[in-house]
Amino acid sequence: RKEVEQDPGPFNVPEGATVAFNCTYSNSASQSFFWYRQDCRKEPKLLMSVYSSGNEDGRFTAQLNRASQYISLLIRDSKLSDSATYLCAVNINSNYQLIWGAGTKLIIKP
Amino acid sequence: GAVVSQHPSWVICKSGTSVKIECRSLDFQATTMFWYRQFPKQSLMLMATSNEGSKATYEQGVEKDKFLINHASLTLSTLTVTSAHPEDSSFYICSARELAGIYEQYFGPGTRLTVT
Repeated sequence: RKEVEQDPGPFNVPEGATVAFNCTYSNSASQSFFWYRQDCRKEPKLLMSVYSSGNEDGRFTAQLNRASQYISLLIRDSKLSDSATYLCAVNINSNYQLIWGAGTKLIIKP
Repeated sequence: GAVVSQHPSWVICKSGTSVKIECRSLDFQATTMFWYRQFPKQSLMLMATSNEGSKATYEQGVEKDKFLINHASLTLSTLTVTSAHPEDSSFYICSARELAGIYEQYFGPGTRLTVT
């Protein structure tokens, strides 16, 4: 089993819809969790950190479920510009290394 | 804030030559820098973790004599691909972390290496 798993997609979603995807992690000692966005042939960019209490930034909501060991990302009122690959990352050690999911590809269609 | 630059953005070199890639944190001091490689349609693969003033820690399967990493200051790390081969062609991305206790990594724009 991979340490961090994501559905690769693609998720094809009409503009304006709400879309959600999850990321599961295997190590219960995982400490910090993040969502990154990566556009084609570009570097990943930090979208949001995921806190135990959940957090929201505009149209984006991230949540952590420690009991079931997954994090989620919800995108409301999706825009064409939201089309990208969404990577989840999990920190499990004191070396500050992040373990990365393979990414979920999201395609927003007009 | 948290801007990371990387140079060059792309490079084409001949097989057998060496290529140096620079990674700089522009507005913060990077305690730790990470070097990744990403092949098309694949996820990030961590190559090594670099702490300022100490030797890099390489991931299993990454040849330290082929991928030389130097982290001479809190704002600069370099990756040198020595004796490059076509199979080394890839997208190389660095990231940096600031301050103790902060786990977020901020990425440079990446270097696309093509070895002919």
